[in-house]
Amino acid sequence: AQKVTQAQTEISVVEKEDVTLDCVYETRDTTYYLFWYKQPPSGELVFLIRRNSFDEQNEISGRYSWNFQKSTSSFNFTITASQVVDSAVYFCALSEPRIQGAQKLVFGQGTRLTINP
Amino acid sequence: NAGVTQTPKFQVLKTGQSMTLQCAQDMNHNSMYWYRQDPGMGLRLIYYSASEGTTDKGEVPNGYNVSRLNKREFSLRLESAAPSQTSVYFCASSPGQLYGYTFGSGTRLTVV
Repeated sequence: AQKVTQAQTEISVVEKEDVTLDCVYETRDTTYYLFWYKQPPSGELVFLIRRNSFDEQNEISGRYSWNFQKSTSSFNFTITASQVVDSAVYFCALSEPRIQGAQKLVFGQGTRLTINP
Repeated sequence: NAGVTQTPKFQVLKTGQSMTLQCAQDMNHNSMYWYRQDPGMGLRLIYYSASEGTTDKGEVPNGYNVSRLNKREFSLRLESAAPSQTSVYFCASSPGQLYGYTFGSGTRLTVV
């Protein structure tokens, strides 16, 4: 069965520190997609990134970067120079395109990140 | 604004009452989904609809039913609410297999 583990339940850092959120996944498929979503205190879920299993290049978007390593089944998320606005719950998710037309996502438990001023 | 609209945003039910959570998207997406979010458990799939006219069970379907009324609308029904169904419910849609979801803003449901 597919599984996503975010072992860090809560992380608290001081503003401007770098922070890495860990995500480990389990799947038997060779084709799959990985996602990160952000849930700020307002409660909505915001898409951050999608990565397919054939693309192991690291991705950088401003202060955000993602490290995908198939060898360790990990898709970690790093925020550089964190800001208070980064405070949120972050979810890692795994998708397998098995069902025609549908894309079921399996989510990790989430990591609550608090950035203190 | 284009997106996924859920109603209501908040609801309190008594045990045994029924209600329907509404979800509509205006992005012409084929697939739609219902998830519930509980503390420490992430989001779990209740039901999904790959396309208009089809629905399938997810990980936690017991106690729920769904209707894909048309391409835009996907409703979730609780026939006899139980306290264990206290949760935040999210509807989502997706254009297909290669894309992530667009989520609605959620419905916070409390069953007393």
